[in-house]
Amino acid sequence: SFELTQPPSVSVSPGQTASITCSGDKLQDYYTCWYQQPPGQSPVLVIYQDNKRPSGIPERFSASNSGNTATLTISGTQLMDEADYYCQAWDGSLLLFGGGTKLTVL
Amino acid sequence: EVQLVQSGAEVKKPGESLKISCKGSGYSLTSYWIGWVRQMPGKGLEWMGITYPGDSDTKYSPSFQGQVTISVDKSSNTAYLQWNSLKASDTAIYYCARTVINRWYDSDSTISREVRYFDYWGQGTLVTVSS
Repeated sequence: SFELTQPPSVSVSPGQTASITCSGDKLQDYYTCWYQQPPGQSPVLVIYQDNKRPSGIPERFSASNSGNTATLTISGTQLMDEADYYCQAWDGSLLLFGGGTKLTVL
Repeated sequence: EVQLVQSGAEVKKPGESLKISCKGSGYSLTSYWIGWVRQMPGKGLEWMGITYPGDSDTKYSPSFQGQVTISVDKSSNTAYLQWNSLKASDTAIYYCARTVINRWYDSDSTISREVRYFDYWGQGTLVTVSS
């Protein structure tokens, strides 16, 4: 199995682009998804299978997965996007979460 | 509308037993596994295990094997998470979530790639264990 590593925090100004990374050994070999967890709420799936958006998720959320790093990108970040973000992957036997990244919009 | 509704918050003493529930609706429950995820206070998400309502097959994360019991009642569309003897370190929010599993196969029918993720989540159940 492997571990998924995320930066503890990322800051972005409103309207700018935020990028949150998730690193793991040969991560490109595993599909990655991303969850958004606003304060005091349940997680919400925002990206699945590396780069697909579920219905209802704004187009400003996009993602990629290459080499050892998956990246969640939020374009035109809004105040409502302030939340914890978690990457997740299935390695064939274990379902793994990254440690989470707190996105601050200020 | 897909919904996962969990039972309410619990306050228990160390050594006590507990069973919390997660009732699904708005979709065919035998088409999806149900997973459980722990979130300790101020911490991240941890996968505990998954269960399949169709045949009650259950898989545990090694970290939680033997510590909890996951079960499901197909007739009532409800999944359960159970402890026989709670510890203070079990204090956390527990989420149930619908689990999507997709597989791609090679020409020889071996699995070439598999994805698992949670597309709908319950509202969470706060379990507090304190003497």
